[in-house]
Amino acid sequence: GQQLNQSPQSMFIQEGEDVSMNCTSSSIFNTWLWYKQEPGEGPVLLIALYKAGELTSNGRLTAQFGITRKDSFLNISASIPSDVGIYFCAGQLSYSGAGSYQLTFGKGTKLSVIP
Amino acid sequence: AAGVIQSPRHLIKEKRETATLKCYPIPRHDTVYWYQQGPGQDPQFLISFYEKMQSDKGSIPDRFSAQQFSDYHSELNMSSLELGDSALYFCASSSRGQIGELFFGEGSRLTVL
Repeated sequence: GQQLNQSPQSMFIQEGEDVSMNCTSSSIFNTWLWYKQEPGEGPVLLIALYKAGELTSNGRLTAQFGITRKDSFLNISASIPSDVGIYFCAGQLSYSGAGSYQLTFGKGTKLSVIP
Repeated sequence: AAGVIQSPRHLIKEKRETATLKCYPIPRHDTVYWYQQGPGQDPQFLISFYEKMQSDKGSIPDRFSAQQFSDYHSELNMSSLELGDSALYFCASSSRGQIGELFFGEGSRLTVL
């Protein structure tokens, strides 16, 4: 099956620093999504990307859908303590009216922010 | 706004027992997905339903079954439970017309002793 390689696995950063993480795949996806998960909670959707080359922002978060459709990155600017959590990329291979809408997840990036 | 509701939030069972998890999707969402997440792992897709029909199948064990009802809620039935079934089980829902946007519930934590 499809696999997503997400890196880095973990990050320790100082409050105020910028963060970058990325995902690569051996096969293409039509949609890339980024989720954040806190302990004991469900993943929360942060950003969804639908077109190759698309760059989308959500507050301090910016994500891009790679031109090859095999990769995506997420940047967090000016990190704050509440950014702590595990960030997952997810790919979806779906097309109009058919196809699989289920998500394939990366292994996650655990972010720790030092105040 | 209403979110995906899962119950129970916590469940403790013995080996070889059965368990049933319930999921109530966001209103007007027609598709439900079940995921299993082990400790320190990423969510693994189990099965999905669209308009009460199974739409996709992932790594769901034969001991597990699921269905979606006329009111769009879904139930995941797990039988002959094993220690390795201990995990967080998430339900997600989406509207078929909204490609990409899966919204997850808070999960049901199953512990098998």
